[in-house]
Amino acid sequence: NAGVTQTPKFQVLKTGQSMTLQCAQDMNHNSMYWYRQDPGMGLRLIYYSASEGTTDKGEVPNGYNVSRLNKREFSLRLESAAPSQTSVYFCASSGLNTGELFFGEGSRLTVL
Amino acid sequence: AQSVTQLDSQVPVFEEAPVELRCNYSSSVSVYLFWYVQYPNQGLQLLLKYLSGSTLVKGINGFEAEFNKSQTSFHLRKPSVHISDTAEYFCAVLTRMRNTPLVFGKGTRLSVIA
Repeated sequence: NAGVTQTPKFQVLKTGQSMTLQCAQDMNHNSMYWYRQDPGMGLRLIYYSASEGTTDKGEVPNGYNVSRLNKREFSLRLESAAPSQTSVYFCASSGLNTGELFFGEGSRLTVL
Repeated sequence: AQSVTQLDSQVPVFEEAPVELRCNYSSSVSVYLFWYVQYPNQGLQLLLKYLSGSTLVKGINGFEAEFNKSQTSFHLRKPSVHISDTAEYFCAVLTRMRNTPLVFGKGTRLSVIA
């Protein structure tokens, strides 16, 4: 019953450091997503992958890169972290294009 | 492009009182509509969805929502809330086009007061 697993759950970085958030799903879903959640802003889509081998920008892609490593895994990389990237990051996946997303528990990132 | 507006950012309500969380959307094409719930320190989970058919949709934990195409609304209701319903609720819209991602509203924080 793992569903969507994100690592790490917490991370503190200094400005300019890099890191990768990992996400894996075991539901054989085609689509995977990365969102960030900030107070009063709701969830904003960073990048998504509609199927293995494809990635597309969402609403707020600047400062991020993604890799769809295989059908199960979708990673989010911050090459040079900035304080504005302090947020809670959620990975999600979905099967058919019916909008039902399954979310991970989130990764809380603080950039000092 | 589609968009979602949740009209209230915070809704306080007393336990056992009814509640309505309002959601309006805009889209030039047909849509699917969703409500997700986020309990403290957790990810989001699906509460209910409208894909087609009956405009009154029932979800988990006694919630229901009504799709109103003429008013482009999808308000969420519960006749009697419990303390455990305290959470953030997100309305979301998906256009009936291939591979377009879900768009979320900014959320409504429901606080149930004992």
